[in-house]
Amino acid sequence: GDSVTQMEGPVTLSEEAFLTINCTYTATGYPSLFWYVQYPGEGLQLLLKATKADDKGSNKGFEATYRKETTSFHLEKGSVQVSDSAVYFCALIYPVQGAQKLVFGQGTRLTINP
Amino acid sequence: DGGITQSPKYLFRKEGQNVTLSCEQNLNHDAMYWYRQDPGQGLRLIYYSQIVNDFQKGDIAEGYSVSREKKESFPLTVTSAQKNPTAFYLCASSIRQGWVENIQYFGAGTRLSVL
Repeated sequence: GDSVTQMEGPVTLSEEAFLTINCTYTATGYPSLFWYVQYPGEGLQLLLKATKADDKGSNKGFEATYRKETTSFHLEKGSVQVSDSAVYFCALIYPVQGAQKLVFGQGTRLTINP
Repeated sequence: DGGITQSPKYLFRKEGQNVTLSCEQNLNHDAMYWYRQDPGQGLRLIYYSQIVNDFQKGDIAEGYSVSREKKESFPLTVTSAQKNPTAFYLCASSIRQGWVENIQYFGAGTRLSVL
């Protein structure tokens, strides 16, 4: 079945560093792709999305480009802040039996030190 | 403000006890979902419902039950048959199924522990 693989965490960076969190997917069709963020003790919030190849999703300084040729959707930010410390989940959505299922990667914990 | 409300925030279960987690949404969404999150892991789908009075098993439905009597409510019961219930449970909803951008919105979660 369809699946998502994220880079292993935890990731620790200094404030203002450049961030990349790798995400690759396996899918039989052309799924929509998402990045969700989970702050401590909270539920998940949608960070950004892309629905077709070469689409770039962006929000709060984060970006990710849907690369069909490499089946990737890497998350990047040019200058991270302490407030970006959270767990980040890459996800895809695919159809199954008339419904649609969201499949998550295992999450990458990001810690930003001042 | 529209959103998804999960309660309680923390829940403790005794051996052999059934417990029910509440999920209410006022977003007028048709579809609702329950996920389980274990430490260091992604989310796994327990049950989902596309419309009122209809629901389907997800990937890990054993030991759980749900109902969907009202559009805005989708409670999850963790039964005594679930031998390892300690986890963080997340409820989500989306406008409708069958839509390519089916964005799911999440509640703040319920942390269940076994006494």
